[in-house]
Formats: sequence, structure tokens, C-alpha cells
Amino acid sequence: QQQVKQSPQSLIVQKGGISIINCAYENTAFDYFPWYQQFPGKGPALLIAIRPDVSEKKEGRFTISFNKSAKQFSLHIMDSQPGDSATYFCAASSPWGTDKLIFGTGTRLQVFP
Amino acid sequence: EADIYQTPRYLVIGTGKKITLECSQTMGHDKMYWYQQDPGMELHLIHYSYGVNSTEKGDLSSESTVSRIRTEHFPLTLESARPSHTSQYLCASRDSSRETQYFGPGTRLLVL
Repeated sequence: QQQVKQSPQSLIVQKGGISIINCAYENTAFDYFPWYQQFPGKGPALLIAIRPDVSEKKEGRFTISFNKSAKQFSLHIMDSQPGDSATYFCAASSPWGTDKLIFGTGTRLQVFP
Repeated sequence: EADIYQTPRYLVIGTGKKITLECSQTMGHDKMYWYQQDPGMELHLIHYSYGVNSTEKGDLSSESTVSRIRTEHFPLTLESARPSHTSQYLCASRDSSRETQYFGPGTRLLVL
């Protein structure tokens, strides 16, 4: 079974701090790794995504670090803000077969002022 | 901002009732998906469609059925609702040329 393992399950960070969420995958055929942000009562929304040909991608305060050899990728939120409080899901997909997204179990982030 | 809509947003219904959850998108996306998500938990794919008259079951077994008669419309039907169907149902769509899936706001279903 294709899996994406995500940790931690929950994270509490002080305002201005760095939030780090980690994911690991098993299937080396995966070639697209997005992070989704979900607020309560809303559907997930794409935050940032990366492909395995780069080791890092940054968009504003959000950075994905990708380690192909370790089959791991992580989301870093710099200068975390209370408005970042949400559940974050990593995911992975491959170009073969049905190109379905396989989601991690989610991390609930709480940023306190 | 993606234009994908789901109705109803909340539904409380008794056991044995037939229900249809609506999902529509105005972006002309050919691929559409249904996910089931318990509160705060991961998303599980239950159905997907690659175009009109194309539907497939996802990774998580579901007693629901779907249809895709029009590109923009992907309804999900439960013939006989049970308390075990209580969950949030999320619809998503994407264009084949892009990888981003756009999600609707979800329908929270409670079966009594």
C-alpha cells in the first residue's frame, strides 16, 4: 500500500517561531509533493508544492525541503502567525496509473500570540 | 480562487434515507474526485472521474455511488444512509494539464 507518513500529529508554536512538519514516503515513483492547508469548516487549499528535481522551494514564509535519498520532505513556516493555525496535510502522487493524491494524516498547528 | 461548489453544506438525516450530495465546478476541469474525511483526520479517496461517463472507485471502499453525465457535475449518492456514513465529504477537481486539485468546502453528513 502506498503511504505517506506525517508527523507530528499536533504542533504548538509561539508567534514568530518556526513551525516544522515532516513527511516520509515509500513509493519512489512519486514525483509531485504538495502541501495543503485546511481551516475548520473549509476544504483543503494548496499551499505549496515541489518536484523531486529540486531540494528546496520557497514561497513567502513557507518553504518545502526535499530529501530524495531519504524519501522525506518537510514544510517550514517561518515567522509563524496566529492566522497560520490550521491543519496541514502533505501529499504525494505519481504520473503513472491513476495519478491519485495520497495524503498524510495531517498536522494540527496552533500558533499562540 | 477555485470555483467548486458543494451542497448541502450540512445534512442531518435518518437511517435508511437516500441522499445525494451535489458537487459542481465551473472551471471546465475534466478530473473530479470525492474524498471522505473524519474530523481532523486524513482524506480518503472514495471515487474519481476522468471525464464524462468515466467513474472509478477509490482506495477506500464506500457504499456510495457517483455519476458524471456532465463535465461540471459530479454527484454522490447514498441509497440507504447509515450512522457509519457520518463523515465529511469533500469534492475536488483538476485540469489534466495541471496537478493542483481544487477542493470544495465539503458536506458534513450526520446520519442518526
